[in-house]
Amino acid sequence: GAVVSQHPSWVICKSGTSVKIECRSLDFQATTMFWYRQFPKQSLMLMATSNEGSKATYEQGVEKDKFLINHASLTLSTLTVTSAHPEDSSFYICSATNLRQGARETQYFGPGTRLLVL
Amino acid sequence: QKEVEQNSGPLSVPEGAIASLNCTYSDRGSQSFFWYRQYSGKSPELIMFIYSNGDKEDGRFTAQLNKASQYVSLLIRDSQPSDSATYLCAVNIPPGNTGKLIFGQGTTLQVKP
Repeated sequence: GAVVSQHPSWVICKSGTSVKIECRSLDFQATTMFWYRQFPKQSLMLMATSNEGSKATYEQGVEKDKFLINHASLTLSTLTVTSAHPEDSSFYICSATNLRQGARETQYFGPGTRLLVL
Repeated sequence: QKEVEQNSGPLSVPEGAIASLNCTYSDRGSQSFFWYRQYSGKSPELIMFIYSNGDKEDGRFTAQLNKASQYVSLLIRDSQPSDSATYLCAVNIPPGNTGKLIFGQGTTLQVKP
């Protein structure tokens, strides 16, 4: 149980284009999903928290207009990198958790999406 | 500022030995503690969680929690080369149940055949 998928796993795009990444919880309802970014040899950096049906909460220094997050259902959240530039190239990872019924904050991670902007 | 500290390593142990990974956290109000394993180029995967003081065992893994000392550890018995990875300690952010976790920088474990 607790399987999270991400699509696509790899994206190569030209500078200036927008890229959408999907995160799905396959066998549980995710009240909350998180989006992280990880550069080589560095730790996870939390970008934003999204709760189903409400606006995402962005971490300090993360541009909300550049990284658009939608969490329209209990099983799907999307991250759109708008007008991507080479410095946005990174490993983007989502995680999901179910906080209903007093559940603890166990986060289950998707396999990640590698974005390369040329 | 809420922090989770880990020794970045690398921690090198011979195959078959016990690997001991340590983590300290700053917020006394934290109640939930997690260990994740991350292989190079992959995303983190949950190994164990622990909520109560003491030990929790799952196969070759034992998590230990000492809230008074604000210390959580992970022991890996009979270490295998396949255990070579970065181990992330994560702690919840009180108050409330927001789901957010603070992650440590991770400890790189190398198990030598």
